[in-house]
This record gives sequence, C-alpha cells and structure tokens, in this order.
Amino acid sequence: NAGVTQTPKFRILKIGQSMTLQCTQDMNHNYMYWYRQDPGMGLKLIYYSVGAGITDKGEVPNGYNVSRSTTEDFPLRLELAAPSQTSVYFCASSNRDSAGNTIYFGEGSWLTVV
Amino acid sequence: AQSVSQHNHHVILSEAASLELGCNYSYGGTVNLFWYVQYPGQHLQLLLKYFSGDPLVKGIKGFEAEFIKSKFSFNLRKPSVQWSDTAEYFCAVKFGNAGKSTFGDGTTLTVKP
Repeated sequence: NAGVTQTPKFRILKIGQSMTLQCTQDMNHNYMYWYRQDPGMGLKLIYYSVGAGITDKGEVPNGYNVSRSTTEDFPLRLELAAPSQTSVYFCASSNRDSAGNTIYFGEGSWLTVV
Repeated sequence: AQSVSQHNHHVILSEAASLELGCNYSYGGTVNLFWYVQYPGQHLQLLLKYFSGDPLVKGIKGFEAEFIKSKFSFNLRKPSVQWSDTAEYFCAVKFGNAGKSTFGDGTTLTVKP
C-alpha cells in the first residue's frame, strides 16, 4: 500500500546549494505532479508529467527542474536554492480513467533554505 | 483564463453547526470537480469528486457537494460539523482534457469543541 513516496521528509539547505527531492509511485499512474504549498497560498503546480519522457511547466517552474525517465519516478531538482523556495513540497500522481483523475498525494517534504 | 476561487479563507464554527464552503471556477467547457482535505500534519486526500451524472455528490465523513453548472460552483456542505473536521479544504478543477487539476487557495476550517 505504498502509493506515492517522497524523500526526504525534512531538509535544511544553505543558499546556493542544490538538492533533489525524490518521488516514486507504485500505482502505474501516467500523470505525476510536483506542487508547493505556502501558508495562505494554496497549492501551486511546479511541474507535471503526462507520461515517461514528457514534462511540462506548471504555474511556478522557475528555479526547478524535473525529469521523467520511468513511469514510477519523478524527481524534482533545485539547482541554486533560494530562501523563496522554503516551502512544503508535495509529489502526486493520477491516472486518466472513467472515475475522473483523482490525485494521490505523497506525505510532503518540508524544505527550509537559510 | 481558467481559475478556481474559494471564497472563505478561514472559517470558524462550533460543533454541530452547519458548514458550507464555496468554490467557483471560470471555464465554459466540461469540468471534473474535486474537494480534497488536509488534516493537521497529514497529506491531502480526496474527500469527494464529481465527473458526470448526479450533480449532488456524497463523500466520506458525511460531506456532500453540489455541482451547479449555471453558477460554475461546487460548494461543499456538511449538516453538522465535528471537532475532527478541523482541517484545510481545497477545491480543485480539471478543465476539459487537461492532464492536471487547478487548485483553489484553500479554506481553513476550525471547529470549536
């Protein structure tokens, strides 16, 4: 019953450092997403993917990169961490089916940039 | 432009009070509609969804929502809230054949015991 698994759960970065948030799902979903959640700002889509080898920018892609080499994995890369990237990051996945694209979320990764 | 708006940023209710959280969207085509809930310290999970058929949708924990196409709305309701309903609630809309959903800014519900 793993669902969507993301790591790490907590991380503190210094300004200018880089890191990768890992995300994997075991539901064979075509669609995968990265969101960030800031207090009072709701969920903002960073990047998403509709299948292996395909990625698209969301609402707030600047400062991030993604790749989708397999159906299961969708890592999010921060190249030069900035304080504005302090946030909670959620990876998610979904599938296009007759029941209408329910999104399944991971448990979140709390990132602080200092 | 396609958008989703939730009218209330923070709602405070006493136990047993009735709840209605507003959600409106701007789009003239086919939509799939969702309400997600995030309990304190937990990740988001689906509360209920509409994709076709009966516009009155029932979800978990006694929640329901009604899709009113003419008003572009999908308001969430519960007749009698409990302290355990304290959470953040997000409305989300999938516009047409888009591969992604757009989320509202969320409504924080606090239920006083």
